[in-house]
Amino acid sequence: SAVISQKPSRDICQRGTSLTIQCQVDSQVTMMFWYRQQPGQSLTLIATANQGSEATYESGFVIDKFPISRPNLTFSTLTVSNMSPEDSSIYLCSVYIQSSGNTIYFGEGSWLTVV
Amino acid sequence: GDSVTQMEGPVTLSEEAFLTINCTYTATGYPSLFWYVQYPGEGLQLLLKATKADDKGSNKGFEATYRKETTSFHLEKGSVQVSDSAVYFCALYNFNKFYFGSGTKLNVKP
Repeated sequence: SAVISQKPSRDICQRGTSLTIQCQVDSQVTMMFWYRQQPGQSLTLIATANQGSEATYESGFVIDKFPISRPNLTFSTLTVSNMSPEDSSIYLCSVYIQSSGNTIYFGEGSWLTVV
Repeated sequence: GDSVTQMEGPVTLSEEAFLTINCTYTATGYPSLFWYVQYPGEGLQLLLKATKADDKGSNKGFEATYRKETTSFHLEKGSVQVSDSAVYFCALYNFNKFYFGSGTKLNVKP
């Protein structure tokens, strides 16, 4: 398994500002994912972040809005840019561990409210 | 494409009742199947998993059996507790991608 720490855990943000979420893992992992979970909804994959390459974004998500960094095998950041109330969501960092039977593990999430 | 369908909630049960949350999937090949649980105010935690047909995953009194013939992975628990109140997500992994169901909220009343 893996221990995944996200910061901030919660924040209230002003419309039009940007916020960077940090994700720290206690072991080296190749594949990291960023998900969004809107209130009462399931998870939507934003992008896959592999170290040493640019993030791969899913349909409906663009780099200008959700820039991602992956400087090493234990850390990643997701920035939510120019926020609007529609961006109010839980943002979840997750990692893929092949040796654990192709399992992904999640951080505690970053609960963002945009006002 | 691959997908996961799980029963809509909320499901409301009394303590010590039997729980079943249905999950069916559509996938090519041989996916791995998972149940994740999200307690109020928290992220998702892996509850159990099964990687091949007829495997049974179990944890904390919950069980699910990978049924390839019915493409199902139903979650069961013989006697639920108030502390089991949470949202449960069925998921599959196939060809380097994960797919999540819509989640089923479980409310257990004392």
